[in-house]
Amino acid sequence: GAVVSQHPSWVICKSGTSVKIECRSLDFQATTMFWYRQFPKQSLMLMATSNEGSKATYEQGVEKDKFLINHASLTLSTLTVTSAHPEDSSFYICSAEPAGGPGVNEQFFGPGTRLTVL
Amino acid sequence: QKEVEQNSGPLSVPEGAIASLNCTYSDRGSQSFFWYRQYSGKSPELIMSIYSNGDKEDGRFTAQLNKASQYVSLLIRDSQPSDSATYLCAVMDSSYKLIFGSGTRLLVRP
Repeated sequence: GAVVSQHPSWVICKSGTSVKIECRSLDFQATTMFWYRQFPKQSLMLMATSNEGSKATYEQGVEKDKFLINHASLTLSTLTVTSAHPEDSSFYICSAEPAGGPGVNEQFFGPGTRLTVL
Repeated sequence: QKEVEQNSGPLSVPEGAIASLNCTYSDRGSQSFFWYRQYSGKSPELIMSIYSNGDKEDGRFTAQLNKASQYVSLLIRDSQPSDSATYLCAVMDSSYKLIFGSGTRLLVRP
């Protein structure tokens, strides 16, 4: 149980294009999903918190117009990197918290999406 | 700023030994603590969660929490080469966000 998938697992795109990454909870409902970014040899940094049916909450320093998040259902959240640039190249990881209230359940991570912007 | 501190390592132990990983955190209001294992190029995998002071054991893993000292640790008994990975300590802050440490790289020598 508690499986989270991400698609695609890796993507290479040209500078200036947009890339959409999907995060799905496969066997549970998630009212809250989180998007993280991890640069090489660094830890995970939270980018935004995605709540089903409402606007995402972005961490300080994360451009909400550049990283568009949509949490359309209890099992799907998407992250769109708009007008991607080489500095956006990173490992993007989502996690999902099973429905049941904040702070009660663990976050389960997707396998990650490696984005390379040429 | 809320911080979670870990020694980056690498921590090298022989196969069969006990590996001890440590973590300190700055937010005294934190209530939930987690250890994740991350293999190179992969996403984190939850190993243990701990919420109250004391020890919590799960198989070869034991998590220890001391809220007064703002300290949490992970012991891995009978370490195996397959345990070689980066171990991330994560602390849930008062707004229910996970704050990650930078991770400790563990190497288990055959």
